[in-house]
Amino acid sequence: AQSVAQPEDQVNVAEGNPLTVKCTYSVSGNPYLFWYVQYPNRGLQFLLKYITGDNLVKGSYGFEAEFNKSQTSFHLKKPSALVSDSALYFCAVRDGGTDKLIFGTGTRLQVFP
Amino acid sequence: DARVTQTPRHKVTEMGQEVTMRCQPILGHNTVFWYRQTMMQGLELLAYFRNRAPLDDSGMPKDRFSAEMPDATLATLKIQPSEPRDSAVYFCASGSAAKVTEAFFGQGTRLTVV
Repeated sequence: AQSVAQPEDQVNVAEGNPLTVKCTYSVSGNPYLFWYVQYPNRGLQFLLKYITGDNLVKGSYGFEAEFNKSQTSFHLKKPSALVSDSALYFCAVRDGGTDKLIFGTGTRLQVFP
Repeated sequence: DARVTQTPRHKVTEMGQEVTMRCQPILGHNTVFWYRQTMMQGLELLAYFRNRAPLDDSGMPKDRFSAEMPDATLATLKIQPSEPRDSAVYFCASGSAAKVTEAFFGQGTRLTVV
């Protein structure tokens, strides 16, 4: 069965510092991986996805993610964090050949001024 | 500005009552998802539709939950009878055929069953 794991419940980072939110995956076949962000009292917003090709994927709001097949990871990164990046971040994997997304448990990112 | 619209935003109801949540997907999107979010279980897919036909509702308790798409502009999720354990935020999301996994989420319906 396809799954993703987000090992950190919360990540704290100072504004201006680089940030990393971790995600590892377990899939059979080629992984289709995604990152979504949820701001307070809002629905999820798509950030970026990896389907195939370049291992470094660029997305919205300056975020990027690096696909690492040997480590089965898809960590979300940003070179310089903003206070407005504080939100809940979800990693997800597509469930086989379906349209369904299986989400991780989420990581709360807190960026301090 | 295209968006998924969910109503109501908040609902408080007594145990045993029927609850209906509505979703208007983005015009032109042919795939609609219903998710439930709780602290304990995280995000769970309840059901999803393509071209108004249910493709998968395996995540939904069949005895009390039902999901329908009466037309392309409306998706409904009903709970009858509701129970306290149904308290959660219910999200609707829609996607296009070309980029269905880049789903656009509504703001959710926060349901509290007392």
